[in-house]
Amino acid sequence: NAGVMQNPRHLVRRRGQEARLRCSPMKGHSHVYWYRQLPEEGLKFMVYLQKENIIDESGMPKERFSAEFPKEGPSILRIQQVVRGDSAAYFCASSPLAYEQYFGPGTRLTVT
Amino acid sequence: SQQGEEDPQALSIQEGENATMNCSYKTSINNLQWYRQNSGRGLVHLILIRSNEREKHSGRLRVTLDTSKKSSSLLITASRAADTASYFCATDPTLTSTGNQFYFGTGTSLTVIP
Repeated sequence: NAGVMQNPRHLVRRRGQEARLRCSPMKGHSHVYWYRQLPEEGLKFMVYLQKENIIDESGMPKERFSAEFPKEGPSILRIQQVVRGDSAAYFCASSPLAYEQYFGPGTRLTVT
Repeated sequence: SQQGEEDPQALSIQEGENATMNCSYKTSINNLQWYRQNSGRGLVHLILIRSNEREKHSGRLRVTLDTSKKSSSLLITASRAADTASYFCATDPTLTSTGNQFYFGTGTSLTVIP
């Protein structure tokens, strides 16, 4: 059973471009979470999704950020018109509804 | 903030010694978990302790939870160089209506010197 997959691992975008981060949960997991880790800081919750539903997006900035988890395919975290402050590591985790969350390797976004 | 806060921020020990990290949090919790993150890698789940448990062991790891003090400790015994990593505590607060949402601290950076 492959672990949580995230791609790309590293993404470089210029200011104003769009960033798309993908997360494939572990097989059998229907719950996906996105976290952001700024340099020298802990992880911060962004959004919690189940298939085709956003359950909790209280940690996600209201502008420029969106997330989806379609019936088929990976979960996507989309950041429009990126700014330098968006540079961070973005981690995805999946869960089968147990308490443990299984984390992917993360995507490191650098905005130049 | 509901986030856990780890203490110390950084810890450096000799191989073979024990390493103790502490975590404090602010709200009532369902459970508390510890994760490890190697540099540039994703998080690895280490251990979960429920709010009605006081101590839990897993191999060389020992976790304690004191809900009256809202604190937890992670003890790594007989440390190895491979234990060098950042360690995070994550809390699942009872006030979160959707559940399964964890709040992470800033982590303790552990360096084990061979």
